[in-house]
Amino acid sequence: DTGVSQDPRHKITKRGQNVTFRCDPISEHNRLYWYRQTLGQGPEFLTYFQNEAQLEKSRLLSDRFSAERPKGSFSTLEIQRTEQGDSAMYLCASSLFGTGGTEAFFGQGTRLTVV
Amino acid sequence: ELKVEQNPLFLSMQEGKNYTIYCNYSTTSDRLYWYRQDPGKSLESLFVLLSNGAVKQEGRLMASLDTKARLSTLHITAAVHDLSATYFCAVSYNNNDMRFGAGTRLTVKP
Repeated sequence: DTGVSQDPRHKITKRGQNVTFRCDPISEHNRLYWYRQTLGQGPEFLTYFQNEAQLEKSRLLSDRFSAERPKGSFSTLEIQRTEQGDSAMYLCASSLFGTGGTEAFFGQGTRLTVV
Repeated sequence: ELKVEQNPLFLSMQEGKNYTIYCNYSTTSDRLYWYRQDPGKSLESLFVLLSNGAVKQEGRLMASLDTKARLSTLHITAAVHDLSATYFCAVSYNNNDMRFGAGTRLTVKP
């Protein structure tokens, strides 16, 4: 297993367009997290899944954002009607919940630029 | 709401010196994480601390946790240039998601 994989690595889109990002977690991991990070800031929590269930969603997440993990494996994050303020690095992480003490492993991220 | 504060936010130190980064959090937590991030890269896990008094060490970095004070420290011993990076602490509560601090940008100068 090569770790958490995110696709694409970079995305440039025009304002108002929809974008979708994909995350493939480490295969045996049951938890999957999405974070957003802007320059000079710490990662900001967006949402997380345990298996296919979305357990928590940030109050900061507008209804333009939606995430799915249909079979409890890979996940997608869609942003509709993108705005310039959506420009950021979108990070995915996965962990194995239930064994105690395991950290979350992060992917390389998808850098979104909205022009 | 769980809040995580790190200080300092910026740290410039000379090679060979020691220093400590502090991470305070606002509510009860069951796990404390330290991550490293190099410019333009993703986050690399350094430590996971689970219980009061936990101490973990890896090379020149040592992390500790005081759950009563809601404080974790990351101590750097005899810094080298390769340690230059941004260090984040993150906290989870009730086995939920991690909430991150703003990060400490460390620069080690020769």
